[in-house]
Amino acid sequence: AQTVTQSQPEMSVQEAETVTLSCTYDTSESDYYLFWYKQPPSRQMILVIRQEAYKQQNATENRFSVNFQKAAKSFSLKISDSQLGDAAMYFCASENGNKLVFGAGTILRVKS
Amino acid sequence: DSGVTQTPKHLITATGQRVTLRCSPRSGDLSVYWYQQSLDQGLQFLIHYYNGEERAKGNILERFSAQQFPDLHSELNLSSLELGDSALYFCASSVGGTAGVKTQYFGPGTRLLVL
Repeated sequence: AQTVTQSQPEMSVQEAETVTLSCTYDTSESDYYLFWYKQPPSRQMILVIRQEAYKQQNATENRFSVNFQKAAKSFSLKISDSQLGDAAMYFCASENGNKLVFGAGTILRVKS
Repeated sequence: DSGVTQTPKHLITATGQRVTLRCSPRSGDLSVYWYQQSLDQGLQFLIHYYNGEERAKGNILERFSAQQFPDLHSELNLSSLELGDSALYFCASSVGGTAGVKTQYFGPGTRLLVL
C-alpha cells in the first residue's frame, strides 16, 4: 500500500525565518502528483503547492517551495519569511490513482 | 474559498441514526471524493465518483454509501451510526477522473458528532 510519512509531529519557527517540513513517500507509480495542504484552526484544507513527478524543476508558490528528490522519494516543503498566518497543520499527500494518501501531519507554530 | 460547498457544517446525532452529508463540487469539476478525518485514523479516503459513476473505494464501511447525481452534486449517507463515526467529513473535487488534472480542492467539511 502507498504510504506517506511525515516524521516531524511538530515544528516551530520564528517569524520572518525559514522552516522546512519533511515528507517521504512510497509509490510504485512512475507518474504521480505530490501535494502539500495546510489546515489552519478553521479545519479547512487549503492547497499550498503541488509537484508533478515527471517535472524535474521544483515547484514554487510565492514564499512556499518544495525540494523534490524523486529517487529518494522525498518531498519537503520550505516556507520562507514565515508569517503568523502560516501557523497550521501541514499535510503531505501523494496522488495514487483516484485518491490522495496523506501523511499524519506536522503542526507548525510561528513565534512572534 | 475553494468553490466546493458542503452542508451541513455541523451535525449532532445519536447512535443508531442515519445522516446525509451533501457536497457540491467546483463548477466544471466532474470528480467528487469523500474523506474522513478522525483523531485516531487521520485523513482517510472513502470513495470517488466521476461523472455519476463510482470509480474507487477506500476504507468505507458497509454502513456508509454515496452517490453522485446528474447535476454532479454528491451525497454521503451514514447509517447505524456509532460513536466512532464522529469525525470531520470532507468532500473534494477535481476536473479529471483517472486522467487529467489531479489537484483536489476541498470543501469546508461537515463535523459529525455522534452521541
